[in-house]
Amino acid sequence: TQLLEQSPQFLSIQEGENLTVYCNSSSVFSSLQWYRQEPGEGPVLLVTVVTGGEVKKLKRLTFQFGDARKDSSLHITAAQPGDTGLYLCAGGKSNYQLIWGAGTKLIIKP
Amino acid sequence: GAGVSQSPSNKVTEKGKDVELRCDPISGHTALYWYRQSLGQGLEFLIYFQGNSAPDKSGLPSDRFSAERTGGSVSTLTIQRTQQEDSAVYLCASSLALRGDGYTFGSGTRLTVV
Repeated sequence: TQLLEQSPQFLSIQEGENLTVYCNSSSVFSSLQWYRQEPGEGPVLLVTVVTGGEVKKLKRLTFQFGDARKDSSLHITAAQPGDTGLYLCAGGKSNYQLIWGAGTKLIIKP
Repeated sequence: GAGVSQSPSNKVTEKGKDVELRCDPISGHTALYWYRQSLGQGLEFLIYFQGNSAPDKSGLPSDRFSAERTGGSVSTLTIQRTQQEDSAVYLCASSLALRGDGYTFGSGTRLTVV
């Protein structure tokens, strides 16, 4: 069974703090995607990383794909209440399907 | 349309009744996926359609669940003889099915079986 483990499962911090969430697996993925989901909505794609060691920045969000393409991290600098949501990682395999993590529920308190 | 459209957005049904959930994907997206999500949890894969190929039904939890995709576009997920454990948000997504391409999700159908 291919698993993607996300940690932490739940994180509640104050506005302005920094945080990192992790996505780990024993499997190698061809790509790794991060999504954010808000209540009552479907997940929305934030980024796709495809190269081992790749780092992508999206404003205050920094995404990194591990050198061995088995893990990834999402770092948020100076978190804001608008960052609140469920963050999901998903690993791509050769058959175009995605293996999903269980998600990190993030709450940013004003 | 510009996005993935799902209907209805909410459905309350009595235990034992059948329900149909509809998904209208982005035009031109050949891949279509159905997922189930329990409250605040991750995504449980149900079924995958890709072009004219036979669908991957490996995620369907029981033979009460079925899905079809007509004309390579609209898809319907049918749940027969609904049970309370079927209560969840059912999400549909579509993609261009290129390696590394992201999914575009609909807003989901929240199903409540009472």
